Amino acid sequence: DVKVTQSSRYLVKRTGEKVFLECVQDMDHENMFWYRQDPGLGLRLIYFSYDVKMKEKGDIPEGYSVSREKKERFSLILESASTNQTSMYLCASSLGRYGTQYFGPGTRLLVL
Amino acid sequence: EDQVTQSPEALRLQEGESSSLNCSYTVSGLRGLFWYRQDPGKGPEFLFTLYSAGEEKEKERLKATLTKKESFLHITAPKPEDSATYLCAVQPSLHGSGNTGKLIFGQGTTLQVKP
Repeated sequence: DVKVTQSSRYLVKRTGEKVFLECVQDMDHENMFWYRQDPGLGLRLIYFSYDVKMKEKGDIPEGYSVSREKKERFSLILESASTNQTSMYLCASSLGRYGTQYFGPGTRLLVL
Repeated sequence: EDQVTQSPEALRLQEGESSSLNCSYTVSGLRGLFWYRQDPGKGPEFLFTLYSAGEEKEKERLKATLTKKESFLHITAPKPEDSATYLCAVQPSLHGSGNTGKLIFGQGTTLQVKP
């Protein structure tokens, strides 16, 4: 079974803090994705990565950056958290660019 | 613009009452259509992938079908444990809006099955 894990289920941060969300997959997938999910807006792609040290912007990259130093790990960084980044963050991975995406359990982030 | 619309937004069924969820899509080229189940506070769980019109996939009480413009998720004799939000997503093809492999999600149908 594919397993995607995320470092935290719940996080509470202050405005202006730097926030790190980590995602690890154990299936040797090349591709990893970060989405955010908001009521009424659905899932939206923030960033994705096709390989180690590779990254590409998704639909809503503003205010975020990512890091992929190892194949199994993909980090999402909020450089200076803002209240409008309060959301559910979901990581996914896939084998091959068009493979099925398997999701982690999500991190619910609250920025005060 | 690539777009996915799911209906209804919410559906309440009695246990055993069969129904269908709809996913309408507009995409310049379809590589695949995905169905996921999401329980409250959890990540989406993969159910099915459909690739071409006429294709059908089944899993327990669920059956997914695909036409050129929409997909249906049929739920036969649902049980309370089928209560969840069902998400539909399309993956544009290489010649569609970019070749990123990204998924475009609908907003989901929240299903409640009462005993």
